[in-house]
Amino acid sequence: NAGVTQTPKFRVLKTGQSMTLLCAQDMNHEYMYWYRQDPGMGLRLIHYSVGEGTTAKGEVPDGYNVSRLKKQNFLLGLESAAPSQTSVYFCASSYSIWWDQPQHFGDGTRLSIL
Amino acid sequence: DQQVKQNSPSLSVQEGRISILNCDYTNSMFDYFLWYKKYPAEGPTFLISISSIKDKNEDGRFTVFLNKSAKHLSLHIVPSQPGDSAVYFCAASGAGSSNTGKLIFGQGTTLQVKP
Repeated sequence: NAGVTQTPKFRVLKTGQSMTLLCAQDMNHEYMYWYRQDPGMGLRLIHYSVGEGTTAKGEVPDGYNVSRLKKQNFLLGLESAAPSQTSVYFCASSYSIWWDQPQHFGDGTRLSIL
Repeated sequence: DQQVKQNSPSLSVQEGRISILNCDYTNSMFDYFLWYKKYPAEGPTFLISISSIKDKNEDGRFTVFLNKSAKHLSLHIVPSQPGDSAVYFCAASGAGSSNTGKLIFGQGTTLQVKP
């Protein structure tokens, strides 16, 4: 019963490098979200998807791109990494948008940009 | 502009006593509120939620109270146990017709329950 799986768990990048974070869920959820967590700031929404083939901007989308080609996968891309993108990234998914169907989170990807 | 605020970064209580975590919000259009618990090196785990049409929701040792006039909610844990030591995030969602399930999180409160 995997739930939400994030790959990789840790990564160190140099400024200007690119990479893709993968989120996979096995719960057949329609909705998927990418958040970042920084000290003292809680979690902030980067991008989200309301279904396969759809994406939308969240609160802090600049410097990131996303794709949802398959329902179970939600990819977060950094085209040219910057030190300000050093953070812990969490992916979440949910069956619906309502309070009785809460979002399930993965265990995060810790990303350091040097 | 922080729409959801947890003004207490940390809280320490004795095992067996009550823990009260607080959260304030500014957007009166939020439809529901949630509490998540987070252990180090893990993702947030859903704990309890409440719809804006209710003022209380209870699940075992956990109770959430909502005061809409004050735009304030609180999480009560009774009795507190050492295993409850974690970071607790308050979150809000469902701001009217534009609801897409997006969660707005507070900064988190670190709870320490001492044996």
